[in-house]
Amino acid sequence: AQKVTQAQTEISVVEKEDVTLDCVYETRDTTYYLFWYKQPPSGELVFLIRRNSFDEQNEISGRYSWNFQKSTSSFNFTITASQVVDSAVYFCALGVYGGATNKLIFGTGTLLAVQP
Amino acid sequence: DAMVIQNPRYQVTQFGKPVTLSCSQTLNHNVMYWYQQKSSQAPKLLFHYYDKDFNNEADTPDNFQSRRPNTSFCFLDIRSPGLGDAAMYLCATSRTGRVETQYFGPGTRLLVL
Repeated sequence: AQKVTQAQTEISVVEKEDVTLDCVYETRDTTYYLFWYKQPPSGELVFLIRRNSFDEQNEISGRYSWNFQKSTSSFNFTITASQVVDSAVYFCALGVYGGATNKLIFGTGTLLAVQP
Repeated sequence: DAMVIQNPRYQVTQFGKPVTLSCSQTLNHNVMYWYQQKSSQAPKLLFHYYDKDFNNEADTPDNFQSRRPNTSFCFLDIRSPGLGDAAMYLCATSRTGRVETQYFGPGTRLLVL
């Protein structure tokens, strides 16, 4: 079975705190891709990162960092020094290949509220 | 800037009255997707087009149809909207390939009265 679990339904932090959003995935494929998307209140899903299963290097982009660990099937997302503008729902997704096209299996999302 | 555009952003329709949502893209991507997202839920794939090849998800109701007249445009038709069809409808595009990134439009929020 292919599945993504985001156990944290809601997280509330105060501005400037660091916060980590957890993502655990299940797949039997040896080649797969993982994604994080941000959905602010406006509704648009904004692409943040794509990572393939062969690249376990952690990635940092400004205040955002991602920790990919195949041993625990996790792809966690950390925001350093959070800001009010980071308030959104964050979705982790597993990309599966179905021939010529691909599908995204989304987790249920984590609502992050950053208080001023 | 290359992008995915959805019109309108908000659509109000009456129970049973057909409605069409539109999506256009300037990314020149081969694949276009339609998702339905209900409140506090993850997006759910309804169907997608690989070029002109239509691919329906097994659990997508017959009430939902789609058209793709050319590479740039894709439409979602809801033949007889019910109250349960009120949702955000998201269009996405991607290139062809092994799990390419999907880029989403801003969505159309549909209200059924």
